[in-house]
Amino acid sequence: NAGVTQTPKFQVLKTGQSMTLQCAQDMNHEYMSWYRQDPGMGLRLIHYSVGAGITDQGEVPNGYNVSRSTTEDFPLRLLSAAPSQTSVYFCATRTSGYEQYFGPGTRLTVT
Amino acid sequence: GEDVEQSLFLSVREGDSSVINCTYTDSSSTYLYWYKQEPGAGLQLLTYIFSNMDMKQDQRLTVLLNKKDKHLSLRIADTQTGDSAIYFCAAFLGGGYQKVTFGTGTKLQVIP
Repeated sequence: NAGVTQTPKFQVLKTGQSMTLQCAQDMNHEYMSWYRQDPGMGLRLIHYSVGAGITDQGEVPNGYNVSRSTTEDFPLRLLSAAPSQTSVYFCATRTSGYEQYFGPGTRLTVT
Repeated sequence: GEDVEQSLFLSVREGDSSVINCTYTDSSSTYLYWYKQEPGAGLQLLTYIFSNMDMKQDQRLTVLLNKKDKHLSLRIADTQTGDSAIYFCAAFLGGGYQKVTFGTGTKLQVIP
C-alpha cells in the first residue's frame, strides 16, 4: 500500500514549456486535490476532484488543468509554465470523512 | 472566505512544552487539524478536533479549541529535537465543501 505517490520529485522547466505532474493513490479515495506551497503562504488549493470524471477549481486555478479519468490518478498539467509557478506541489486525497493524506511533493522551478 | 493565521516561528528548549497557536475566522469550520511537515517532506496529519470538542489529548499532544474566540492550540509535552518541523493549522467546513484552508505554518525549533 503506497498511499499517495507523486512524480517527478524535482523538475526544472523553461518559461513556456508544458508538463504534467503525476499523482496516484491506491486507497480508493474519492476526493483528490492539488495544492501549491509557497514560502509564507501556507498551502493553496489549485484544483480538486470529488470522483472520476468530476473536477472543479480551487482558489488559484489559473495556468493549470486537471482531469480525472480514473479513481487512482489525478494529473496536473501546466500548459505554458511561468516563473510564478515555481513552487512545491502537493497532491492530497481523502475519503468522504475528514482525514486528508498528502503525497511527498514535487518541487518545480521555472526559469 | 476562511482565514487561518499562525505565528511564523517558535523556539523551545528540549524537554520543555511547546504551544503553537492558531486563529481562524469561519465559525462554521467543522474540523480543525494540525499537520507536521519535516524538511523536504509532505504534510503528515498529527491530530484533529471536531468543532463540538474543547480538548483532545493524544500521547504528548494536546489540542485545545476555544470556539468563542476561534482559537486553536497544539501543546507538545516534553519536546524533542525530532519535533523540529513546520506545523500547519488547517480548517475544514466538511460536508460537500472541499476546501481545507491552511495557515502559513509555524516553524518549531528545538534547542538541545
